[in-house]
Amino acid sequence: EVQMVESGGGLVQPGGSLRLSCAASGFTFSSVWMSWVRQAPGKGLEWVASINEDGSQRYYVESVRGRFTISRDNAKSSLYLQMDSLRAEDTAVYYCPRDTGYYTFVYWGQGALVTVSS
Amino acid sequence: QSALTQPPSASGSPGQSVAISCTGTSSDVGNYNFVSWYQQHPGKAPKLIIYEVSKRPSGVPDRFSGSKSANTASLTVSGLQAEDEADYYCSSFAGSNHVLFGGGTKLTVL
Repeated sequence: EVQMVESGGGLVQPGGSLRLSCAASGFTFSSVWMSWVRQAPGKGLEWVASINEDGSQRYYVESVRGRFTISRDNAKSSLYLQMDSLRAEDTAVYYCPRDTGYYTFVYWGQGALVTVSS
Repeated sequence: QSALTQPPSASGSPGQSVAISCTGTSSDVGNYNFVSWYQQHPGKAPKLIIYEVSKRPSGVPDRFSGSKSANTASLTVSGLQAEDEADYYCSSFAGSNHVLFGGGTKLTVL
């Protein structure tokens, strides 16, 4: 059974940092692209970042480029999102859905809530 | 790149059909057949219900169907049931390794 379990969310002050983790199981993690997608409270879905199978290619939405870093550890079947210089508008539930091709997200976890507030 | 455009709300009575539109541009919806639709119930994670414009994942009822014409994709829910009441989001591959989502449509079953 495919599972995605996000962790590392919490309350952080503006300008602070947080690192999200995503533990994947039930599929060959090292063979697939992975992404982070977020959803602000009461708002829609927004793609945040993606990384290819070996981590050599990384892509970001303009609003987080230079502040967020996506990475992966294939030996641990884990995906990460290092978030620096956090802003109030980064407050959201962050998901790490599995991409089955061309950003088709079949499997989703329950997400990790990040709240940026003083 | 802007989000795809969806109507904020849609509604229908049980048994009826309802269509939800998703409008993009010739750089995303109009240029790629990689449009997906997701259903999200309150407090739950999104669920993929349509991919590659009109394909249904295993287990998704055939009451859900997708189509595309030029820069606009559509999701049709036929034979509306109470459990179809949810938020629906479209997405489209937008080239250059980016994906766009729509703003979401709240479907109400009257």
